Amino acid sequence: DAKTTQPNSMESNEEEPVHLPCNHSTISGTDYIHWYRQLPSQGPEYVIHGLTSNVNNRMASLAIAEDRKSSTLILHRATLRDAAVYYCILRGLTDSWGKLQFGAGTQVVVTP
Amino acid sequence: GAGVSQSPSNKVTEKGKDVELRCDPISGHTALYWYRQSLGQGLEFLIYFQGNSAPDKSGLPSDRFSAERTGGSVSTLTIQRTQQEDSAVYLCASSLRSRTDYGYTFGSGTRLTVV
Repeated sequence: DAKTTQPNSMESNEEEPVHLPCNHSTISGTDYIHWYRQLPSQGPEYVIHGLTSNVNNRMASLAIAEDRKSSTLILHRATLRDAAVYYCILRGLTDSWGKLQFGAGTQVVVTP
Repeated sequence: GAGVSQSPSNKVTEKGKDVELRCDPISGHTALYWYRQSLGQGLEFLIYFQGNSAPDKSGLPSDRFSAERTGGSVSTLTIQRTQQEDSAVYLCASSLRSRTDYGYTFGSGTRLTVV
């Protein structure tokens, strides 16, 4: 898998937006960018994924740089329930399709 | 069911005993994955099943670990002669396909404690 780089942690105030960066400078043209999050004592939860265009869903937005070497997960209004570890993962045709390779992720702390 | 179901949710076993962990994937999901997460650590891939294809066992840490998937649905992860370092949360996930543009759905995991 191509590697991703994320900050170890980020803090946000409740009801403010959170922008989580991810660098993936070695991404290939067929790699999808996936985001998962893991709340305390739970299994990871799918958040969003994209290839080239920006993506929106009910949980978040994904902004992908034009050169695809970086992306940003946007939580529009953070709530206390959004406190979790957020993982940015690349999945590509050159990888074993079975494996999501999880890195250390970004610990998001939301303060009231 | 609506989600991926794992049982038991907690298991305490004595060192040297065998344990079986069960995963019920989402109905219709052809891909099934096992991961484990040790305390404070990241997720470690163990094994992957896709339909009737031979499983990818490349992540199994030793020959004490094995897994099977019967009828393309339920999967069982077996750990023989458990050791204390096997203590972790074992997570199962399923996916409609193993294609790169499909997401996984994870269960809540089985917390295994070897004493």
